[in-house]
Amino acid sequence: NAGVMQNPRHLVRRRGQEARLRCSPMKGHSHVYWYRQLPEEGLKFMVYLQKENIIDESGMPKERFSAEFPKEGPSILRIQQVVRGDSAAYFCASSPSGGSGANVLTFGAGSRLTVL
Amino acid sequence: QKEVEQNSGPLSVPEGAIASLNCTYSDRVSQSFFWYRQYSGKSPELIMSIYSNGDKEDGRFTAQLNKASQYVSLLIRDSQPSDSATYLCAVNMGYSTLTFGKGTMLLVSP
Repeated sequence: NAGVMQNPRHLVRRRGQEARLRCSPMKGHSHVYWYRQLPEEGLKFMVYLQKENIIDESGMPKERFSAEFPKEGPSILRIQQVVRGDSAAYFCASSPSGGSGANVLTFGAGSRLTVL
Repeated sequence: QKEVEQNSGPLSVPEGAIASLNCTYSDRVSQSFFWYRQYSGKSPELIMSIYSNGDKEDGRFTAQLNKASQYVSLLIRDSQPSDSATYLCAVNMGYSTLTFGKGTMLLVSP
């Protein structure tokens, strides 16, 4: 009964490289959310996806960031040409589809990105 | 800008005392409210959810909601050192996602 699985747990990139973060939702969950947490700050919403659909990307920076949740496989958050300001913890969460549980998010352990 | 506000703390209480954590939100149409606990370097974990005005109790935790005042709180009775963490208030403000406050750090001293 695995929870939300994220990898890698830690990722180090140099400026200008690409970062790919992966997330597999809990079994039975079809909604995936990505949040970013900067040091001493709260969780900031980035994007909400269902299989093959981006539902809400209002929190995504306009450039360099993209997300997908393909029919098969994990959700991926991709950051191109990373800069030092991208250093943060990136959390993925999932929720069941519909009903009162739709807003109950279960978080993964997070991926901590460090940009040198 | 729809927001969730929390006092950043730290809130310091002695072991065995009641810790009271508060949260206000800006959007009157909000329907779902959550408290998450986050230990340093770890991921948030759900403690309580509340959807209706009034109190909801679960063990040592009580969530209180007052929609008219746009206020939600979390009481922790018999606080333990293991309760020391950052507590995040989260609100569904009419969107498909949760908006989080910055969190209140709680320190429980033995």
